[in-house]
Amino acid sequence: GQQVMQIPQYQHVQEGEDFTTYCNSSTTLSNIQWYKQRPGGHPVFLIQLVKSGEVKKQKRLTFQFGEAKKNSSLHITATQTTDVGTYFCAGPGRPGGYNKLIFGAGTRLAVHP
Amino acid sequence: DAGITQSPRYKITETGRQVTLMCHQTWSHSYMFWYRQDLGHGLRLIYYSAAADITDKGEVPDGYVVSRSKTENFPLTLESATRSQTSVYFCASSGTMNQPQHFGDGTRLSIL
Repeated sequence: GQQVMQIPQYQHVQEGEDFTTYCNSSTTLSNIQWYKQRPGGHPVFLIQLVKSGEVKKQKRLTFQFGEAKKNSSLHITATQTTDVGTYFCAGPGRPGGYNKLIFGAGTRLAVHP
Repeated sequence: DAGITQSPRYKITETGRQVTLMCHQTWSHSYMFWYRQDLGHGLRLIYYSAAADITDKGEVPDGYVVSRSKTENFPLTLESATRSQTSVYFCASSGTMNQPQHFGDGTRLSIL
């Protein structure tokens, strides 16, 4: 079946360093969503990308959707301790987009002050 | 999100017992989902519902039962709990299948 893979599984950085997590799908995605889960919390929706090559920014966070719509990335500039958590990408379960979301296993980010 | 609530927040039970986890949303969202979260597996879909009285299996449905008699409620039942079902369970809802999902705070379930 379709898979959504994320790398790395875990990364720790010094506060102020940049961070990137990558998401790869085995099939073309109609859209991709990104979520953040703080330790002990629940996943919270961050953003949805729909267009090939799309780039969206939210303050220090930059999200990209690949040209082939099979990969995506989340880049955080100058990390802060408030960025700590696990970042998940999720895409529809089959090409065409009208199926349940498949979540990646997530990238856990630790930020050392 | 205040609009989706799960209960209980924590539950400890024994193998073989029946357990029901509750989920209630106030947005009138059509879609509701149940996930389990285990280390190394991310979020895995157990069951979902597209509307009242319409439910379908997800990735890991075995050992679970759901119902949706009202749009706002989507209970998840473990008919005979096993230790492998120890996990954190999240309920979520969305307006359509591909719209962003809103998650509840989760239920941490331990089966001894």
